[in-house]
Amino acid sequence: DIQMTQSPSSLSASVGDRVTITCQASQDISNYLNWYQQKPGKAPKLLIYDASNLETGVPSRFSGSGSGTDFTFTISSLQPEDIATYYCQQYDNLLRLTFGGGTKVEIK
Amino acid sequence: QVQLVQSGAEVKKPGASVKVSCKASGYTFTSYGISWVRQAPGQGLEWMGWISAYNGNTNYAQKLQGRVTMTTDTSTSTAYMELRSLRSDDTAVYYCARGSPYPGRDWGQGTLVTVSS
Repeated sequence: DIQMTQSPSSLSASVGDRVTITCQASQDISNYLNWYQQKPGKAPKLLIYDASNLETGVPSRFSGSGSGTDFTFTISSLQPEDIATYYCQQYDNLLRLTFGGGTKVEIK
Repeated sequence: QVQLVQSGAEVKKPGASVKVSCKASGYTFTSYGISWVRQAPGQGLEWMGWISAYNGNTNYAQKLQGRVTMTTDTSTSTAYMELRSLRSDDTAVYYCARGSPYPGRDWGQGTLVTVSS
């Protein structure tokens, strides 16, 4: 199975800060990489699909980039409502999925 | 609007089985697959598998092969996930979501399954 290494596991930033989360795959996954946001007690929400495509209705301060094994998720200007845990997720050529370990984002 | 409504919380003994339902509305059921994801208390997300609502094709996580079965009933637009031989580490919130191979923007509210003697 493809392993996803997500970092950091947690971070604390100020409102307005630029926040970056990285995800590394154990092998080349092309651009088959998605990003989800999960708020406490809620179901996850798809933010970015296929590495860099913004899901409809998601604010443009969220973005994703990368291909192959290294991927980045960015919040350009952190807002109070962005407090959540963020997960990367890959799917391989057998259409099997793996989630990263998650990054908990808090306000400093 | 798209809605996925899951069945209620369950408490099961080790070794038992559980079947969680996910009733879809607001879209053509057979046009999308259903993915299942679970989350143990305080832990991250774990993909369980997906099922095509069009033809019933399934793809399960290797870890759960032999214990999990996903099905659909197109007459009622409902997806089901059955997990057998339950263990304490199967205690989790189980989510269904529209979309395969990966969960899309529409998710159920989650179903807590507690496995305890």
